[in-house]
Amino acid sequence: GQNIDQPTEMTATEGAIVQINCTYQTSGFNGLFWYQQHAGEAPTFLSYNVLDGLEEKGRFSSFLSRSKGYSYLLLKELQMKDSASYLCAVMDSNYQLIWGAGTKLIIKP
Amino acid sequence: DTAVSQTPKYLVTQMGNDKSIKCEQNLGHDTMYWYKQDSKKFLKIMFSYNNKELIINETVPNRFSPKSPDKAHLNLHINSLELGDSAVYFCASSHGLAGANVLTFGAGSRLTVL
Repeated sequence: GQNIDQPTEMTATEGAIVQINCTYQTSGFNGLFWYQQHAGEAPTFLSYNVLDGLEEKGRFSSFLSRSKGYSYLLLKELQMKDSASYLCAVMDSNYQLIWGAGTKLIIKP
Repeated sequence: DTAVSQTPKYLVTQMGNDKSIKCEQNLGHDTMYWYKQDSKKFLKIMFSYNNKELIINETVPNRFSPKSPDKAHLNLHINSLELGDSAVYFCASSHGLAGANVLTFGAGSRLTVL
């Protein structure tokens, strides 16, 4: 079966750096996405990786290793507004998005 | 505002009733979706609709039916509601189905079946 694994919850301190990991086993691979979802709100797009390596976008970076079935989302200079769930999703060979359950990130002052 | 809008935001109803959730996008996207997010926060695709082609997740009960009057609208009809249908339903849209297929989501419709 297809599977996306990410930690259920993480806690970090304002101003610090946090890395949220995602491992996947899917039928084929056509890209990996990270979305941010604040409580009670819709998911919003953060990043897309289809080739190995690091994609940087401001305070957020996303890394992909296709051979390891692994990605991480790196958040720097954490702010209180970064408290949210972070969803990892992989597009399989049928162009279907397979979603992880999300990692709830709690930022403490 | 360019967006995906869905109504109603909250829906409370009794078991056995029939209800609909409406979705509209003004982004010019050609693909629309319905997702269900349960209490464990998994997002599960229910339907995608692209150029009049409907792709159905085979696990979705046939009590659920999408209806698309045009490219900008994809409504969700649910017949004979069950307790297990309680969830947040998200509408989304995108350009096409493949590649860097970024989804834009609506704000969600929280359905509670009593």
